[in-house]
Amino acid sequence: QKEVEQDPGPLSVPEGAIVSLNCTYSNSAFQYFMWYRQYSRKGPELLMYTYSSGNKEDGRFTAQVDKSSKYISLFIRDSQPSDSATYLCAMKGNNRLAFGKGNQVVVIP
Amino acid sequence: GAVVSQHPSWVICKSGTSVKIECRSLDFQATTMFWYRQFPKQSLMLMATSNEGSKATYEQGVEKDKFLINHASLTLSTLTVTSAHPEDSSFYICTAMETGNTEAFFGQGTRLTVV
Repeated sequence: QKEVEQDPGPLSVPEGAIVSLNCTYSNSAFQYFMWYRQYSRKGPELLMYTYSSGNKEDGRFTAQVDKSSKYISLFIRDSQPSDSATYLCAMKGNNRLAFGKGNQVVVIP
Repeated sequence: GAVVSQHPSWVICKSGTSVKIECRSLDFQATTMFWYRQFPKQSLMLMATSNEGSKATYEQGVEKDKFLINHASLTLSTLTVTSAHPEDSSFYICTAMETGNTEAFFGQGTRLTVV
């Protein structure tokens, strides 16, 4: 089983829809959970990070962590064309940083 | 926020030559550096992890003699691609972490093209 699993399938949604992304992980040592956004030909930029299980909101973005199920999610409300990018989950613990494969999201005007 | 400066942002080199990529943390001590490679339309793939003053730990399948990593100081790590081949053409990116900090900071990335 891979450390971090993220279904890389592209996701197309109409403008205004909710985007739902998720990752699962197997390493119990991971304590910090992050979501990065990467535009084409650019380096990833940190979108959100969480430590504990539960929800964290930042504007239109909500990050969820369920440590018992080893499952994290990112929701984007009222999606905009400018949200079109690749979203990567990342997890950190025991001096190790692991990324998911990334989801390409396309928001159609 | 913390800044990681990666240089050069792009480089074109001839097959068989070596290329050095630098990654500097400008306002914090990067106790750990990660080096990633990303091929077009694919995700980041971890190549190696280096802790300051120690030898890098390479991921399976990454040739340590080909991708030389040096992390001699708390603010600088380098990746040298030796005897580059066209298949080494990729986007290389470093990520730096400071002990006790929750966030990892990315460099801007280096686009390497080997001709």
